[in-house]
Amino acid sequence: GAVVSQHPSRVICKSGTSVKIECRSLDFQATTMFWYRQFPKQSLMLMATSNEGSKATYEQGVEKDKFLINHASLTLSTLTVTSAHPEDSSFYICSAHVLAGVLYEQYFGPGTRLTVT
Amino acid sequence: RKEVEQDPGPFNVPEGATVAFNCTYSNSASQSFFWYRQDCRKEPKLLMSVYSSGNEDGRFTAQLNRASQYISLLIRDSKLSDSATYLCVVTNTGGFKTIFGAGTRLFVKA
Repeated sequence: GAVVSQHPSRVICKSGTSVKIECRSLDFQATTMFWYRQFPKQSLMLMATSNEGSKATYEQGVEKDKFLINHASLTLSTLTVTSAHPEDSSFYICSAHVLAGVLYEQYFGPGTRLTVT
Repeated sequence: RKEVEQDPGPFNVPEGATVAFNCTYSNSASQSFFWYRQDCRKEPKLLMSVYSSGNEDGRFTAQLNRASQYISLLIRDSKLSDSATYLCVVTNTGGFKTIFGAGTRLFVKA
């Protein structure tokens, strides 16, 4: 299947600092990528849809000024958590769509575990 | 009511057992359905797509019932390596709105 990478896999930062997470599609072009957040023992929650060359679409309740998304190329989307706080500590996962026949299948990056101290 | 609901489990079964999970969805206009597997602290991985006619992949069988708005996953001859959380996933609007169930945890014991 399609390969999506994420970097870093784990990051610890101090409260008030910003953290950038990269999501890359390695063997295909992705005009659309998705960013999710997952708290322990909970499901993935879609944060935003990242569109190459245009603004991201944020889900209700997600602060666009706090979670900055940039999708500057067909293979790279970045999520920057600005002024991070301990409550931002979570598992962040990106994904990209691949059309398989008549269905879109999602392929996920390995995730980034963010801990804000 | 959640858009996608699953029994969180956990299901504790012995090796070799057959286990079935159900998932219900609320939006009758939902278009695509999938089962994903997620291991602890890892990303979800596609297990199989679910078609109206039902589909089978080795020990795994998925079924979709549009009238009752549920999908199911059957695992036969469970292996220790099947222990994971199984996520029911539903997409709408051309595949651009994806909703995940909270997952069903499965533990297969020797």
